[in-house]
Amino acid sequence: DTGVSQNPRHKITKRGQNVTFRCDPISEHNRLYWYRQTLGQGPEFLTYFQNEAQLEKSRLLSDRFSAERPKGSFSTLEIQRTEQGDSAMYLCASTVYGTGVSAEQFFGPGTRLTVL
Amino acid sequence: QQQVKQSPQSLIVQKGGISIINCAYENTAFDYFPWYQQFPGKGPALLIAIRPDVSEKKEGRFTISFNKSAKQFSLHIMDSQPGDSATYFCAASNRGGSARQLTFGSGTQLTVLP
Repeated sequence: DTGVSQNPRHKITKRGQNVTFRCDPISEHNRLYWYRQTLGQGPEFLTYFQNEAQLEKSRLLSDRFSAERPKGSFSTLEIQRTEQGDSAMYLCASTVYGTGVSAEQFFGPGTRLTVL
Repeated sequence: QQQVKQSPQSLIVQKGGISIINCAYENTAFDYFPWYQQFPGKGPALLIAIRPDVSEKKEGRFTISFNKSAKQFSLHIMDSQPGDSATYFCAASNRGGSARQLTFGSGTQLTVLP
């Protein structure tokens, strides 16, 4: 299966700890998105990368959040000093950006974070 | 600001019935309207999408109806099956923007009874 993969699938941590999630997009997809989904809600945009460049960050992405895509392939999302309000599903999606191509974003299975 | 409003929150239909989910948007710059299906423990998967130059798109049992003047669009699932039981999200995107991020509705939990 060459879909979007995310690791870990589940993460339980204590408040104040740092956590890091990884996303491996579909190969040759030059654009990668991070979304957050809380229970009973739709995903909300956090940030996106075009190749290795992070081009936009949502207001939802506080200073405790940082994302990287160092070689334009996989991406990591780190949350420092986690808070209970960070508990959510973190989704990664990838797509090919360009004119005349489908805008479809392919989502990974997500990482479910629980902050105790 | 919720830019895409979705209703109903939950829906129960009998097998073989029609499921209808509605969405309304505010941002007139949106020009791509996909519907995603999500099963528990899985990420959303694209079901069907429409662009505003057409009023309807059909793929198998799934149909999107689009009303540009009313800024509304809906998903119709014909001959609903128990396997269709999932959460459905409408979404919208501005393909003319640089980010092209998706703005999602709040979701509809569909249950199809056997």
